[in-house]
Amino acid sequence: QKEVEQNSGPLSVPEGAIASLNCTYSDRGSQSFFWYRQYSGKSPELIMSIYSNGDKEDGRFTAQLNKASQYVSLLIRDSQPSDSATYLCAVTWTSGSRLTFGEGTQLTVNP
Amino acid sequence: EAGVAQSPRYKIIEKRQSVAFWCNPISGHATLYWYQQILGQGPKLLIQFQNNGVVDDSQLPKDRFSAERLKGVDSTLKIQPAKLEDSAVYLCATERPPVGDTQYFGPGTRLTVL
Repeated sequence: QKEVEQNSGPLSVPEGAIASLNCTYSDRGSQSFFWYRQYSGKSPELIMSIYSNGDKEDGRFTAQLNKASQYVSLLIRDSQPSDSATYLCAVTWTSGSRLTFGEGTQLTVNP
Repeated sequence: EAGVAQSPRYKIIEKRQSVAFWCNPISGHATLYWYQQILGQGPKLLIQFQNNGVVDDSQLPKDRFSAERLKGVDSTLKIQPAKLEDSAVYLCATERPPVGDTQYFGPGTRLTVL
């Protein structure tokens, strides 16, 4: 059973701090990696995708991928209360295959 | 560009009843997914369509769940008969080619089985 695991939450950080969200996956041959944000009662929305080792930055968000360690993370700089949500890590095992989601990490940013 | 549409948004039924959900994808999105999201968990894929053909239904409980995508556009997901453990949000997501690109999620249907 191929799995995606995320660090257990909930995670609470003060406003302006860096929030660090972590995810590990079981299949070394995994192809693509995604971070989705899901507000309470809403559907997931894609915030970052990453396909190769290293860092990818988009505004306050940085995704980091280390395929050798089977590890992907999401850093949120200058966290804002509006970042409070559940963050879902998702992986595709082969090209064109379905997404497998982790259980999510609930983040709360305190004003 | 209009988003993924789903209906109904909420449904309450009693166990052993039947229920159907509808999804209208973004225009031009050939790939359509149905996910089940139980409270506190990540979405779990039930079925993936490419146009009107099934690509992956390995996690669909076929004894009670069925889905179709006629003409490769709209899709319906049916549960018959429903069980208490089917209480969840049912999410439809669609994707333009190539597969593996961004999936766009609809607002979901929240099903409560009493």
